[in-house]
Amino acid sequence: EDKVVQSPLSLVVHEGDTVTLNCSYEVTNFRSLLWYKQEKKAPTFLFMLTSSGIEKKSGRLSSILDKKELSSILNITATQTGDSAIYLCAVSGTASKLTFGTGTRLQVTL
Amino acid sequence: KAGVTQTPRYLIKTRGQQVTLSCSPISGHRSVSWYQQTPGQGLQFLFEYFSETQRNKGNFPGRFSGRQFSNSRSEMNVSTLELGDSALYLCASHRDRGSSSYNEQFFGPGTRLTVL
Repeated sequence: EDKVVQSPLSLVVHEGDTVTLNCSYEVTNFRSLLWYKQEKKAPTFLFMLTSSGIEKKSGRLSSILDKKELSSILNITATQTGDSAIYLCAVSGTASKLTFGTGTRLQVTL
Repeated sequence: KAGVTQTPRYLIKTRGQQVTLSCSPISGHRSVSWYQQTPGQGLQFLFEYFSETQRNKGNFPGRFSGRQFSNSRSEMNVSTLELGDSALYLCASHRDRGSSSYNEQFFGPGTRLTVL
């Protein structure tokens, strides 16, 4: 059975700090790893990483896939209060279904 | 381009009743997946539909069912509701399997179901 573990479970930082969120996975026939941001609503797509695209960057957010270590990190630099959310990591294998981790709750304070 | 839409947004039912939720995917997307989100279990996969056919199913009882129409809109049904079915039900839209971005799934706002 596919499995995704995220750490830390929660994190409180000050505005301007840099944070790194971790995701490790076990999946049969890995196809992709996805990061989502969830505030008080549905998850919003951030990045998708695959064997052919192991690094993604968008503004202050970036992510790297380590296929050897079966893990990924999501970096957020110069954090802002608007970054406060739950960050979800998900993987897909042979089937297209996504298996999600429990998420990392990030709180950015002033 | 309009996003994924789900109706209704909120629903209150009592145990034993049944419920039908609706999802319209992003225009051009023919695959729809459904997920259940609860505080205890997180996001869990229910099923996936493509071209009116169920392609994949998660570990949920037979009370949970779904279908997809020729216009790609999808419905899911839960019969004989139980208290534990209270959750946020999310629909995700994605492209065809032949697409390199197939696994990029975009979520709708969800339907929050409360079972009393």
